[in-house]
Amino acid sequence: DGGITQSPKYLFRKEGQNVTLSCEQNLNHDAMYWYRQDPGQGLRLIYYSQIVNDFQKGDIAEGYSVSREKKESFPLTVTSAQKNPTAFYLCASSVDRGGNQPQHFGDGTRLSIL
Amino acid sequence: GDSVTQMEGPVTLSEEAFLTINCTYTATGYPSLFWYVQYPGEGLQLLLKATKADDKGSNKGFEATYRKETTSFHLEKGSVQVSDSAVYFCALRMYSGGGADGLTFGKGTHLIIQP
Repeated sequence: DGGITQSPKYLFRKEGQNVTLSCEQNLNHDAMYWYRQDPGQGLRLIYYSQIVNDFQKGDIAEGYSVSREKKESFPLTVTSAQKNPTAFYLCASSVDRGGNQPQHFGDGTRLSIL
Repeated sequence: GDSVTQMEGPVTLSEEAFLTINCTYTATGYPSLFWYVQYPGEGLQLLLKATKADDKGSNKGFEATYRKETTSFHLEKGSVQVSDSAVYFCALRMYSGGGADGLTFGKGTHLIIQP
């Protein structure tokens, strides 16, 4: 079955540590996205990529970094500069850049601070 | 900027009741509109969408109509079930010609259906 796989499901970060969240899709989608979800909030866009080797900052990119070396992979690194990283992180993809195309989501990674 | 406003929850209903979750939006152009559902501990699933004015999206008994005149996309279901208990998100997406950005989400409405 095609879909989006996020790993790990749960992740713990120590102070001053960088951690990387994995996102892989086998849907052959061009565009990929990272969102952050906090309790009682909607999702906020961190970064997105419309094509391999290209990505753009979203609304809350500070303290995060991404890469897009392969079409199917879009890992997110939460750096030590992100002072409040505890959240639920969701990766999504869509077939192309068209505005009427829905985004498909993975099951998320929950990040906590030790 | 673009924004989405949803009714605040939690919304608690009895099984077989009629459901309406209000959603209004602000956008500079003509967005595509979506409803997503999130079950506990999971990612978001697309429930339905509408891409132009007067379009009606429908799925699993849920419906929503794109109303340009009132900038609304209210979610409705005639008879809810306990299994409909979840968080529902209204979202919009713009296409600027240079490529689409991510979705703009409302804060979500927690729906609780009691047997």
